[in-house]
Amino acid sequence: DTGVSQDPRHKITKRGQNVTFRCDPISEHNRLYWYRQTLGQGPEFLTYFQNEAQLEKSRLLSDRFSAERPKGSFSTLEIQRTEQGDSAMYLCASSWGQGAGGYTFGSGTRLTVV
Amino acid sequence: RKEVEQDPGPFNVPEGATVAFNCTYSNSASQSFFWYRQDCRKEPKLLMSVYSSGNEDGRFTAQLNRASQYISLLIRDSKLSDSATYLCVVNRGSNYQLIWGAGTKLIIKP
Repeated sequence: DTGVSQDPRHKITKRGQNVTFRCDPISEHNRLYWYRQTLGQGPEFLTYFQNEAQLEKSRLLSDRFSAERPKGSFSTLEIQRTEQGDSAMYLCASSWGQGAGGYTFGSGTRLTVV
Repeated sequence: RKEVEQDPGPFNVPEGATVAFNCTYSNSASQSFFWYRQDCRKEPKLLMSVYSSGNEDGRFTAQLNRASQYISLLIRDSKLSDSATYLCVVNRGSNYQLIWGAGTKLIIKP
């Protein structure tokens, strides 16, 4: 499978716990994006990387959120001290260059904070 | 007002009918436009890019109206499998950050 893969698919965690998600983009893609989507809404931009450099972060990304892409390949998104409002689908996408042809999304990680 | 707006629907359409959605965007500097399809609890998948001259892919036709700042998607001879949420996506800057509409839900009925 040469698509974008995300792990885990589902995560249930207690409020206050830390969680980490992983994304493996398409290998030829140099850009990687994280989005968050809640029910009935379109995806909201969180952050993106070009190779290993994190070039932009949304204001949605509070201090509790951190993302890395250490070798320009896979990426991790960590949420510290989770809150119920963090419950959402976290989507990773990748593209080559500026993504004029669109992005390829992974299947997402569905986070439920209880 | 949201930067990209869509009618949330749902549009309930009989199989075989033609259906069209519009999406409006507020930033006149927007440069590229896309329609994505999202099935329930799945990730969005690119349906088609929208070009200035309009473009067609099988039963799907996309149009861009820069003067009025909207894009449209027309589906002809609709199939049951077309039932999904259709997301309008706009790129507005040099960093190619995509701005997403909330989606239009389409239900095709037999």
